[in-house]
Parts: sequence; C-alpha cells; structure tokens
Amino acid sequence: LAKTTQPVSMDSYEGQEVNITCSHNNIATNDYITWYQQFPSQGPRFIIQGYKTKVTNEVASLFIPADRKSSTLSLPRVSLSDTAVYYCLATSGTYKYIFGTGTRLKVLA
Amino acid sequence: GAVVSQHPSRVICKSGTSVKIECRSLDFQATTMFWYRQFPKQSLMLMATSNEGSKATYEQGVEKDKFLINHASLTLSTLTVTSAHPEDSSFYICSARVDLAGANYGYTFGSGTRLTVV
Repeated sequence: LAKTTQPVSMDSYEGQEVNITCSHNNIATNDYITWYQQFPSQGPRFIIQGYKTKVTNEVASLFIPADRKSSTLSLPRVSLSDTAVYYCLATSGTYKYIFGTGTRLKVLA
Repeated sequence: GAVVSQHPSRVICKSGTSVKIECRSLDFQATTMFWYRQFPKQSLMLMATSNEGSKATYEQGVEKDKFLINHASLTLSTLTVTSAHPEDSSFYICSARVDLAGANYGYTFGSGTRLTVV
C-alpha cells in the first residue's frame, strides 16, 4: 500500500477555498485516491474518490496529475462546519484501509 | 446508501470487566469488516480484519486474546474487549466493505464507540 503524506494542519477563513495536497509517490497502478472527513467522536465520512485527472461532486473536487504521485482535495467556500480532520488514502479494491496522519483543518470566522 | 450501525456509542466499564461492541450493516451484507482504534488527536489504527465465518486477522501488536472478534453473520461483527484496563480506553470504530456493482468496492464507517475504563 502506498504511504500518503499530508500537512498536519491548516487554517482557513470562512468563504475561502481550501486546497489540501496529499503526496503518494509510490502509488500502485491499481490504487485509487480516496478522501475521508472526520469530526470529533465520529467515524470517518467518505468525501470523494478518483483515479486520475479531475473528479467533482457536490462537496469537493479532487485533482490528480498525470503522474498520480500527488493529489489535491479542493473544498470550495468553506464554512465553520468544515472544521475537521481530512484523510487521504491510497486504496485498492478489497484491501484494508490504512490511515495516515490526516490534515486537521480549522476554519475561522 | 450503505449504513453501518455501531452500538453502544459510549460505554464506561470497571477495570477487569469485558465490554462488547456491535457493528451492524443495515442495508447490505458485509463479508468483511474492519476494527479500528483511535486515541485522542491521533489517526485511526487498524486493529483487525473480520471475515464472516472465519477467524479474524489481527494486525501486528494487537492481542487477539484481549480483543475478541466474532463475525458470525453477514450483517454483524462484534468486538469484545476482555479484562479491560484504563489503557484500553479509546475510540473504537468499525468499517464494512460494501460490494458495489462491477467489482467495485466501497468502505463505510460506523459512528464509533467511546470506551472509558475506570
């Protein structure tokens, strides 16, 4: 499984766009990039998943360059309720999910 | 969507007693479930993989006799913390693999159980 590296923490202000970058230099051909959000005392919640280029859903966008060695989660116009820990994982089929340190995002008023 | 129900959400027990945590897949069958532990301000640590009808596979350093896992049906996995001690106090989270169409898979997580051993 490819190890992922993310910034430990980030601060942002309400209304701003937040980009969280994840490094996964050893990503395997079969791996997808999957992002989860976790609030205190709750289980992780799926945000978005992609393999290459760009994926967008109602809450976020995921950008993956051609070499797939990194990816960027983009949260448009964050609010206070987006304060959470965001995890980037390299995931493959039926294999177990291993979590890295995650990025603790704090949105300020 | 696929929902995993975890119960109880929080439990306090006395040192030396055992505690059982249940993880149920509500609207799908889960042949594989995972158990994680999370200490404050830390990431999720995978403890074991639970497969329906077979023995669980434990990660290195996790005591299988202390953390008993049973996955007797396609919708229920249980984690029993035996002879609990204060250092077992943690947030326990289960996850189930969802078999989607076209050999695609997703993983959904329970809401977690806060265990406090006093």
